Amino acid sequence: DVKVTQSSRYLVKRTGEKVFLECVQDMDHENMFWYRQDPGLGLRLIYFSYDVKMKEKGDIPEGYSVSREKKERFSLILESASTNQTSMYLCASSRDNPSEDTQYFGPGTRLTVL
Amino acid sequence: RKEVEQDPGPFNVPEGATVAFNCTYSNSASQSFFWYRQDCRKEPKLLMSVYSSGNEDGRFTAQLNRASQYISLLIRDSKLSDSATYLCVVNDRGGSYIPTFGRGTSLIVHP
Repeated sequence: DVKVTQSSRYLVKRTGEKVFLECVQDMDHENMFWYRQDPGLGLRLIYFSYDVKMKEKGDIPEGYSVSREKKERFSLILESASTNQTSMYLCASSRDNPSEDTQYFGPGTRLTVL
Repeated sequence: RKEVEQDPGPFNVPEGATVAFNCTYSNSASQSFFWYRQDCRKEPKLLMSVYSSGNEDGRFTAQLNRASQYISLLIRDSKLSDSATYLCVVNDRGGSYIPTFGRGTSLIVHP
């Protein structure tokens, strides 16, 4: 079974703090993704990575950065947290293979910025 | 911007009913298609992939219509446990496989 884990289920931070969200997958997947999910807006892609040290902007990268130093780990960084970044953050991974590119999600981190 | 559109619902149906959802996509070159299920406050999980020839998994049937650019999900004999949000996902091939999610369709199955 594919397992995607995220470092925290719930996180509370203050405005201006630097926030690190960690994601680890154990299936040697090439692709990793960070999304945020908000009511009425669905899942929105923040950043993705298709290889170590590679990253691509998604639809809403502003205010975020990412790091992928190892294949299994993909980190999302909020350089200076703001209240509008309060959200559910979901990490996912997938193979870069046309016949098996299903995404597997972590349990999510519910971040509250005060 | 590539779009994937779903009716948000909610679809409110009695147990045992048959219910169908559609999802339209804008990119005619889209490569692969999926339905995910998301329970309240949980992560999305794959329900089924959608193949060109259509596919069935128990009470669930998924179909793809490339000409009209939509995919569908049919649920027969609805159960209370089918209550969830159903997300349509379309993958496009750029440098890698980039998914676009619909906003989801909410299903409520009542006794």
